[in-house]
Amino acid sequence: KAGVTQTPRYLIKTRGQQVTLSCSPISGHRSVSWYQQTPGQGLQFLFEYFSETQRNKGNFPGRFSGRQFSNSRSEMNVSTLELGDSALYLCASSLETSGGFGYNEQFFGPGTRLTVL
Amino acid sequence: DAKTTQPNSMESNEEEPVHLPCNHSTISGTDYIHWYRQLPSQGPEYVIHGLTSNVNNRMASLAIAEDRKSSTLILHRATLRDAAVYYCILLNSGYALNFGKGTSLLVTP
Repeated sequence: KAGVTQTPRYLIKTRGQQVTLSCSPISGHRSVSWYQQTPGQGLQFLFEYFSETQRNKGNFPGRFSGRQFSNSRSEMNVSTLELGDSALYLCASSLETSGGFGYNEQFFGPGTRLTVL
Repeated sequence: DAKTTQPNSMESNEEEPVHLPCNHSTISGTDYIHWYRQLPSQGPEYVIHGLTSNVNNRMASLAIAEDRKSSTLILHRATLRDAAVYYCILLNSGYALNFGKGTSLLVTP
């Protein structure tokens, strides 16, 4: 069974640009979560999607957005990039059901390393 | 938000048991306690999770306090491959799920 895949693996952008990151979950997983990891703040939750709907959201500005497609693949977008957005962006998928979030383990992808210059 | 508190770092000798503590005094009744670990240059990897009862799997054991305000991840025999950052988190719908900085485990031969 293929794991969670994320593309691209590395990305370099300049301030003010926007970026779109992609995540393909494990087949059959309908829940996809996104996280930002930086040395200063650790691993922080961005949002979670289930069946194309954003179900949970972390404390990030509106510049960070996401969506999920009918095949459960997900994308996240960051607009008007700032230097502080440089981070490892991780995607995780889970066999969650419509009834809740947290019962099942999350499977993480390798991440996309975003550098903002 | 329900938060967790872990020591910044711990050290263990190879082939000895390791007990990694986590405090979560504001846990709610429906929060699941999850443990993940992250090896260098990799995404986090699931280790174990539980709700109220102690749990065992092939990787580790999870001991949950009776009041659920703390838990302990137990690695029965640490190996060099267990050197990683270990995160204790609480998962439930509606929460902002920050992993924090976890506990960096150093295993020495």
